[in-house]
Amino acid sequence: AQKITQTQPGMFVQEKEAVTLDCTYDTSDPSYGLFWYKQPSSGEMIFLIYQGSYDQQNATEGRYSLNFQKARKSANLVISASQLGDSAMYFCAMRPADDYKLSFGAGTTVTVRA
Amino acid sequence: GAGVSQSPRYKVAKRGQDVALRCDPISGHVSLFWYQQALGQGPEFLTYFQNEAQLDKSGLPSDRFFAERPEGSVSTLKIQRTQQEDSAVYLCASTLGTFISRGGQETQYFGPGTRLLVL
Repeated sequence: AQKITQTQPGMFVQEKEAVTLDCTYDTSDPSYGLFWYKQPSSGEMIFLIYQGSYDQQNATEGRYSLNFQKARKSANLVISASQLGDSAMYFCAMRPADDYKLSFGAGTTVTVRA
Repeated sequence: GAGVSQSPRYKVAKRGQDVALRCDPISGHVSLFWYQQALGQGPEFLTYFQNEAQLDKSGLPSDRFFAERPEGSVSTLKIQRTQQEDSAVYLCASTLGTFISRGGQETQYFGPGTRLLVL
């Protein structure tokens, strides 16, 4: 079974600054994918970024980047140049490469201040 | 629309009522998932369909929960004799393919969810 830990229940960040959201995971699977989703108050889970366990480089998607440290089983999300619209709940999730079930962490609430 | 849609967006039910939640996946997506999200928590897997076949229903909390996808597109999650502990957001997700090869990516795209409140 996979366990995803997000230790920060809530964070405040000033507009235009960067914020790092922590995620650690525990798995015995040798190959897996890591995902980050954003859930605004409207409820929809919006896919942000993916990192494969065998990827050599850290994933980046626009203002989102993933700081992947495989040995530490860590997959932190960095949001650069925060915008007011980034205020939402952020979930880290993991899926073994040969499975379909996503396991989610408890989430981190980000509030961007003007 | 291009995304996953769900209806109704909100549902209030009296304890003991039956409810039916609908999911329209992205057109052409083979795989469909249902998740349950309790307040302040991450989503928890309920069930998985590959086309019309329900391959995994290990996450369904009880036999009061039933899901179907008869034609391999639209899916319905039915909860019979609702209880207060069933109150949650029910999320549907779909993916284009099925299992992923080693190192591959298959992103699950989620709908907006149905917020169910059982009184």
